[in-house]
Amino acid sequence: GENVEQHPSTLSVQEGDSAVIKCTYSDSASNYFPWYKQELGKGPQLIIDIRSNVGEKKDQRIAVTLNKTAKHFSLHITETQPEDSAVYFCAASISINDMRFGAGTRLTVKP
Amino acid sequence: KAGVTQTPRYLIKTRGQQVTLSCSPISGHRSVSWYQQTPGQGLQFLFEYFSETQRNKGNFPGRFSGRQFSNSRSEMNVSTLELGDSALYLCASSLAAGVGLSGANVLTFGAGSRLTVL
Repeated sequence: GENVEQHPSTLSVQEGDSAVIKCTYSDSASNYFPWYKQELGKGPQLIIDIRSNVGEKKDQRIAVTLNKTAKHFSLHITETQPEDSAVYFCAASISINDMRFGAGTRLTVKP
Repeated sequence: KAGVTQTPRYLIKTRGQQVTLSCSPISGHRSVSWYQQTPGQGLQFLFEYFSETQRNKGNFPGRFSGRQFSNSRSEMNVSTLELGDSALYLCASSLAAGVGLSGANVLTFGAGSRLTVL
């Protein structure tokens, strides 16, 4: 089955700096790669996703890149703000009923 | 549009007891997936239901079971609770007319049910 590894496990940046979280996956058949943000006391919330026919996708300060040959994808957050502090999860899947998640990255943005 | 609703939000049980958690998906969503979240293991897939049928199951013992009703609401049950079952149990719903993934077919999570086993 699919195995997703996520790095780093913790990340601390100064407000205004960029943050990058990286994930690798094992199943070359995976074609859907979402990123979720989980704030304290809440469930994970989808913030951006990318499908295998696209190499990069942007949404304001958030971008995701995908390298299918190397089987890795990354989340980039620019101009970080304190409200970006949360746990971020990547996932990889070929179907909606078997999504595999990375272990999570705790991002802290210092004011 | 109401989100995914999970009840109860918090509960405490003792070893050996059983527990039932409930999930109401977003209106119109027919697929419900369950995940277990623990600090050490992250988000682990339990099972997924669509049209009252379990389509996929993760690597959990038979003590973990679920079901889905005709209105797409779902329940999961854990019998003979163990200390290690303490976790946040998350439910997620999706349109999932099929298992394929399209622009509209994404997972939306509820806030979870936090189970503590003493």
